[in-house]
Amino acid sequence: QSALTQPASVSGSPGQSITISCTGTSSDVGYYNLVSWYQHHPGKAPKLMIYEVTKRPSGVSHRFSGSKSGNTASLTISGLQAEDEADYYCCSYVDSSTSLVVFGGGTKLTVL
Amino acid sequence: QVQLVQSGAEVKKPGSSVKVSCKASGGTFSSYAISWVRQAPGQGLEWMGGIVHMSGTANYAQKFQGRLTITADESTSTAYMELSSLRSEDTALYYCARQEVVPRSFYYSYMDVWGKGTTVTVSS
Repeated sequence: QSALTQPASVSGSPGQSITISCTGTSSDVGYYNLVSWYQHHPGKAPKLMIYEVTKRPSGVSHRFSGSKSGNTASLTISGLQAEDEADYYCCSYVDSSTSLVVFGGGTKLTVL
Repeated sequence: QVQLVQSGAEVKKPGSSVKVSCKASGGTFSSYAISWVRQAPGQGLEWMGGIVHMSGTANYAQKFQGRLTITADESTSTAYMELSSLRSEDTALYYCARQEVVPRSFYYSYMDVWGKGTTVTVSS
């Protein structure tokens, strides 16, 4: 099972909004509402930001939101802040003989 | 407060095995799996496999079939990840995580609690 496809990098200025896409197939993102997003500072534990496509865990800022259309899920961060600079990974359950869980390749967010 | 505490860093020779532990405390794990995710230097996150608490069933990514064994000791609330026939490409930071499992379907969902990671270095 190939990794989900994310842009390698995105950038934005403080206060702006950015969107990170995550493209899969009809066997993962397109079929199951089990997409999650993680914020990761290298060397530290990843942090769950969005689960089940649109849900936000307690304690995660309302500036983070998720959506899905067809085989593509998206993470939007509004009102960018310097602390948002990190790597972001999408993840999905997948109906495949090669794995049950697949990650995206990761997107490096730079706050200019 | 739910916590996952992992064992310390390991340095191994090629061809050997490594066993990393992940001790859970402070919360419920009855509807969850403990999964293992690794990140090699300069690479992204990679799901290796998980063990479902309710059933004790372990699932593995095909890439690791035959080399990876995930077990759990309920008496000590500890999960283990053992990777054999190590090669240099297995050098990575290994994380355990609590992963929600959808009831009845046993689909793996989100990972909400993570350990801090265990560095495994494979070098001759």
